[in-house]
Amino acid sequence: EDQVTQSPEALRLQEGESSSLNCSYTVSGLRGLFWYRQDPGKGPEFLFTLYSAGEEKEKERLKATLTKKESFLHITAPKPEDSATYLCAVRSIRDDKIIFGKGTRLHILP
Amino acid sequence: GAGVSQSPRYKVAKRGQDVALRCDPISGHVSLFWYQQALGQGPEFLTYFQNEAQLDKSGLPSDRFFAERPEGSVSTLKIQRTQQEDSAVYLCASSLSSGTGHQPQHFGDGTRLSIL
Repeated sequence: EDQVTQSPEALRLQEGESSSLNCSYTVSGLRGLFWYRQDPGKGPEFLFTLYSAGEEKEKERLKATLTKKESFLHITAPKPEDSATYLCAVRSIRDDKIIFGKGTRLHILP
Repeated sequence: GAGVSQSPRYKVAKRGQDVALRCDPISGHVSLFWYQQALGQGPEFLTYFQNEAQLDKSGLPSDRFFAERPEGSVSTLKIQRTQQEDSAVYLCASSLSSGTGHQPQHFGDGTRLSIL
């Protein structure tokens, strides 16, 4: 069964304190791994798609990396506006549905 | 705006009533997805359309849930005889296509459904 596990569930950082969020996945043939950001009361906002082990993508203070078993979302020198829930999701080669993890709630303190 | 639009944003219904939730996808997007998101959880897949064809409805929790997209654009998720456990945020997403998995899904802001 396809599964996505994110850790930690919640993370509080001081402004400027870099860290990483983890997404471990089990999927029968990965077609894509996605990272989304979700603010309270809003729908998920697309950040990155990764397709194969070794791939990296960057956007401002965020960098996503992928191995055969997990993905990391690295956040460098975060600002309070980076506070949100970060969701990881996978799509398998078997079908078109996307399986989401429960997310990591990130809070950046000024 | 050119994003995914969902209405209503909030819906309160009494247990046993029927509700209908609407999704207007991004113009030209072939694929449309419905998700259910409980508080503190990630979105859970409900059903998927490619144009007007419902290709996967394996995530619908019961036969009280029904979705349609008759003209391949706007979609409606209907819940009959609502129960308290149906209370959640219902998210709609659309993408240009789904064949290769390269296209990300773009989400609306959801409908928050509360069943009293």
